[in-house]
Amino acid sequence: DAGITQSPRHKVTETGTPVTLRCHQTENHRYMYWYRQDPGHGLRLIHYSYGVKDTDKGEVSDGYSVSRSKTEDFLLTLESATSSQTSVYFCATISPLQGGELFFGEGSRLTVL
Amino acid sequence: SQQGEEDPQALSIQEGENATMNCSYKTSINNLQWYRQNSGRGLVHLILIRSNEREKHSGRLRVTLDTSKKSSSLLITASRAADTASYFCATAKSSGTYKYIFGTGTRLKVLA
Repeated sequence: DAGITQSPRHKVTETGTPVTLRCHQTENHRYMYWYRQDPGHGLRLIHYSYGVKDTDKGEVSDGYSVSRSKTEDFLLTLESATSSQTSVYFCATISPLQGGELFFGEGSRLTVL
Repeated sequence: SQQGEEDPQALSIQEGENATMNCSYKTSINNLQWYRQNSGRGLVHLILIRSNEREKHSGRLRVTLDTSKKSSSLLITASRAADTASYFCATAKSSGTYKYIFGTGTRLKVLA
């Protein structure tokens, strides 16, 4: 267990508003990830980070930005939320030196009306 | 498009039977991992197999990897109702980026 906490766990917002989801980890893992999960699509990688201030795009990065100013926090921002971004968002971390398995948070359910 | 694709998309079996699900991927990989997700929860790691391994066991789980066919299979033996969940494979390219891409998953239902 990498002590991953996602906040908020549930959020309802309106189209066009900015939204920020936070992922906090307590294990000092170097890599952090944001995925979204939608029916029929499994998990799709949005962005990931390989260190403080080091991030890279995933499969579905359009409309999302991320920031990592501290090892323990990885923020996902929707600058102007759209209904297509209604989804469940999962944060994950990995420590390659400790086996390479991903540890997941419990998810954040976002509804954009 | 996603790196991994699982099949079948859904599988329904009786308790005690074996369940097999498959994962195909597109590029050379460093390792392949299988995860389980209970409804509405985060994913939990099951097993990791490296590109130079062909088979791995963990309890009732058996994973095989065929890099020539770019495919893997997960076998759950003597299934239980508690095995009901979705199962996903995840791969990272062999370039060492740790950019893990997941497949679409297999929904397994084990009937008591």
